[in-house]
Amino acid sequence: AQSVAQPEDQVNVAEGNPLTVKCTYSVSGNPYLFWYVQYPNRGLQFLLKYITGDNLVKGSYGFEAEFNKSQTSFHLKKPSALVSDSALYFCAVGTSYNTDKLIFGTGTRLQVFP
Amino acid sequence: SAVISQKPSRDICQRGTSLTIQCQVDSQVTMMFWYRQQPGQSLTLIATANQGSEATYESGFVIDKFPISRPNLTFSTLTVSNMSPEDSSIYLCSETTGRTEAFFGQGTRLTVV
Repeated sequence: AQSVAQPEDQVNVAEGNPLTVKCTYSVSGNPYLFWYVQYPNRGLQFLLKYITGDNLVKGSYGFEAEFNKSQTSFHLKKPSALVSDSALYFCAVGTSYNTDKLIFGTGTRLQVFP
Repeated sequence: SAVISQKPSRDICQRGTSLTIQCQVDSQVTMMFWYRQQPGQSLTLIATANQGSEATYESGFVIDKFPISRPNLTFSTLTVSNMSPEDSSIYLCSETTGRTEAFFGQGTRLTVV
């Protein structure tokens, strides 16, 4: 069965410092991996995706993520955090066998302090 | 990118009543999805809405409680029936073609009192 784990409920980082939000996955086929961000009282906004190709994926707002097949991870990163990055981040996975369904992680709240 | 308009954005409802949530997409899409996000939790897929056929429900969700309509390729509704306080959640619709990113509506924040 597909599953996604986000081991950290919250990540705190100072503005200007690099940030990492962790995600690991378990699927039976080739994974399709996504990161979404949710700001307060807003829907989910797409950040980036990995379908195939380069393991380092660049997305919106300066975020990037690295697909690591051996570690089954897809961690979200940003070189320099902004206070405005503070939000709830979700990792999600689909598989080549059921590409239309997404399984979401439990979410990680990112807090960037000035 | 698709734009999904979802309404109402929020509502406060009496227990025992029903609420219908609407989602309108600005382009034709094959499949639409309905999710529930309970307070402080992640998104859980309720069902997949296909145009011209019955919705496909995930484990733990039934049609009598969450009837779904999909009359055409740009519109879907989700009804939360016979509501109880445990139904208080954010409900989101989305569309995706799987290998591309999913687009979400703004969500409906439902409070049942």
